[in-house]
Amino acid sequence: AAGVIQSPRHLIKEKRETATLKCYPIPRHDTVYWYQQGPGQDPQFLISFYEKMQSDKGSIPDRFSAQQFSDYHSELNMSSLELGDSALYFCASRSTGGRADYGYTFGSGTRLTVV
Amino acid sequence: AQKITQTQPGMFVQEKEAVTLDCTYDTSDPSYGLFWYKQPSSGEMIFLIYQGSYDQQNATEGRYSLNFQKARKSANLVISASQLGDSAMYFCAMRQGNKLVFGAGTILRVKS
Repeated sequence: AAGVIQSPRHLIKEKRETATLKCYPIPRHDTVYWYQQGPGQDPQFLISFYEKMQSDKGSIPDRFSAQQFSDYHSELNMSSLELGDSALYFCASRSTGGRADYGYTFGSGTRLTVV
Repeated sequence: AQKITQTQPGMFVQEKEAVTLDCTYDTSDPSYGLFWYKQPSSGEMIFLIYQGSYDQQNATEGRYSLNFQKARKSANLVISASQLGDSAMYFCAMRQGNKLVFGAGTILRVKS
């Protein structure tokens, strides 16, 4: 079965650079979520999209922006990178139809290292 | 606000034995969902088991079972017959709105 695809798997950037993380949800999943997991931390919710519209916003810095495109893939854009942005970034997707709570599927994550 | 608490930062278990990972939650919503995820050292987040607040029976998935005690607001994960490959970080999570909120996690180490 198709899973959530994230690219790249690893990314190394310097301070003040920009980074773009991509997420390809499971086909026919209508909701995409972005999470940030710092070293030794639990995943923190950043932002979500339902049918290409922003549906919820968490602790996402103003330096970050995200969008979902017509083909349902999503991109997280990060500018003016700081050392503290080094983390594992997860994308998850879900179909809100059918059983409401089920079916959050996570990608393998993008490990961003800012040096 | 909803909250997930995992009080065990780390646990050890002997191979082939059972282990219980604790999770308590706090919510005022009558309808909620609880999840357990496994995160091995490679980093991916693997779904293990789900329990809905209205489910009459405790959820089970192979060697994983969820000891759901609604009155105590606890949703402990029980792993039976532990294997070396079970060594990982385990997160309890709850649906808050449409997103998941995670606990701090428990690191499980299986000893041979």
